[in-house]
Amino acid sequence: DAGITQSPRHKVTETGTPVTLRCHQTENHRYMYWYRQDPGHGLRLIHYSYGVKDTDKGEVSDGYSVSRSKTEDFLLTLESATSSQTSVYFCAISDNRNSNQPQHFGDGTRLSIL
Amino acid sequence: QKEVEQNSGPLSVPEGAIASLNCTYSDRGSQSFFWYRQYSGKSPELIMFIYSNGDKEDGRFTAQLNKASQYVSLLIRDSQPSDSATYLCAVSNYQLIWGAGTKLIIKP
Repeated sequence: DAGITQSPRHKVTETGTPVTLRCHQTENHRYMYWYRQDPGHGLRLIHYSYGVKDTDKGEVSDGYSVSRSKTEDFLLTLESATSSQTSVYFCAISDNRNSNQPQHFGDGTRLSIL
Repeated sequence: QKEVEQNSGPLSVPEGAIASLNCTYSDRGSQSFFWYRQYSGKSPELIMFIYSNGDKEDGRFTAQLNKASQYVSLLIRDSQPSDSATYLCAVSNYQLIWGAGTKLIIKP
């Protein structure tokens, strides 16, 4: 299994509070991704990173920010959490962004915003 | 808008039969095609990938790609109850686009 660790695995918090999710990899892969998964929507890309300090937006980036200060760590921050951000969040990694490279996923974080 | 479409299911198949899962995509420039399996409450795991037209076999799994018709299929032979899961299709043209998944139920 790809060495990807997400923390925390579960979190319950209140509307308006900041939340940071962490993804840590031991594979030395260049690309890292944050997705959210909601019933009926499948996986939707929030942000991705193609190197240290290099990040870009995905299709559902509003309300989220990311940072990558080291190859192995990719942080997702909800500056002021809203109930619509209740979801399961997955981190994924890939060796490069060429079409033929699959992504491998962490175990996910289940986030509830009350 | 690039799209990947899958029937949400559930698709119910008797144990031992062939399960056939289908996926259509809109971007004709798509180059790589992936099938992931996701058990309830778990993360997606890669089953197979295919790049060229035709069939690709791996054990009980066969991926079929038809670029002219813009569809990709996954066949599971000798279906087992442990195959019950949601199967996600993902299609890439440098950007990976995901289908919403098909729920498969294998009935003993």
